Amino acid sequence: NAGVTQTPKFQVLKTGQSMTLQCAQDMNHNSMYWYRQDPGMGLRLIYYSASEGTTDKGEVPNGYNVSRLNKREFSLRLESAAPSQTSVYFCASGATGYTFGSGTRLTVV
Amino acid sequence: QKEVEQDPGPLSVPEGAIVSLNCTYSNSAFQYFMWYRQYSRKGPELLMYTYSSGNKEDGRFTAQVDKSSKYISLFIRDSQPSDSATYLCAIWGSQGNLIFGKGTKLSVKP
Repeated sequence: NAGVTQTPKFQVLKTGQSMTLQCAQDMNHNSMYWYRQDPGMGLRLIYYSASEGTTDKGEVPNGYNVSRLNKREFSLRLESAAPSQTSVYFCASGATGYTFGSGTRLTVV
Repeated sequence: QKEVEQDPGPLSVPEGAIVSLNCTYSNSAFQYFMWYRQYSRKGPELLMYTYSSGNKEDGRFTAQVDKSSKYISLFIRDSQPSDSATYLCAIWGSQGNLIFGKGTKLSVKP
């Protein structure tokens, strides 16, 4: 009963470095989402995937890329990290009510 | 105007108090309304889910939707210190995704 699993839980990057945040769900959901959460800004949608093989931009996609590897996995990539990407990143899956992972705390210095 | 607006608080109440958390929304076509609870350093978890207007009760929690005013509320009766968390309203928006309010931080003091 893992639900939505995110790795890593914490990460510190230097400006310009790249990294991939991993997300996997075991609930057989078609739709998966990546959000970032910043103080005073709430949850903002970065990218989503309505089904395997499709991805779409959300509210704040700049600086990110995504891959829907299969039905279970949806990864988020930062190609060249910037301090403005310091945030807590949440992956979610589901149709109407989403199930969220526990988050990745990313600091870009 | 943002699609969902929520007062960020913080809100501090004594144990046993009735808590009222509120959001307003802009699009009268919205039909699905949700409340999430987020404990510190955790992911949001779905608390309640209502469709269209009216009330829904689950234990000490009541979700209320007033479509005429475009206003949704979450009431917590007999609040407990364990209810201390950030509460986020969410609405199924016109883009086919959940739109979240910014969250209200609640603290229930023993």
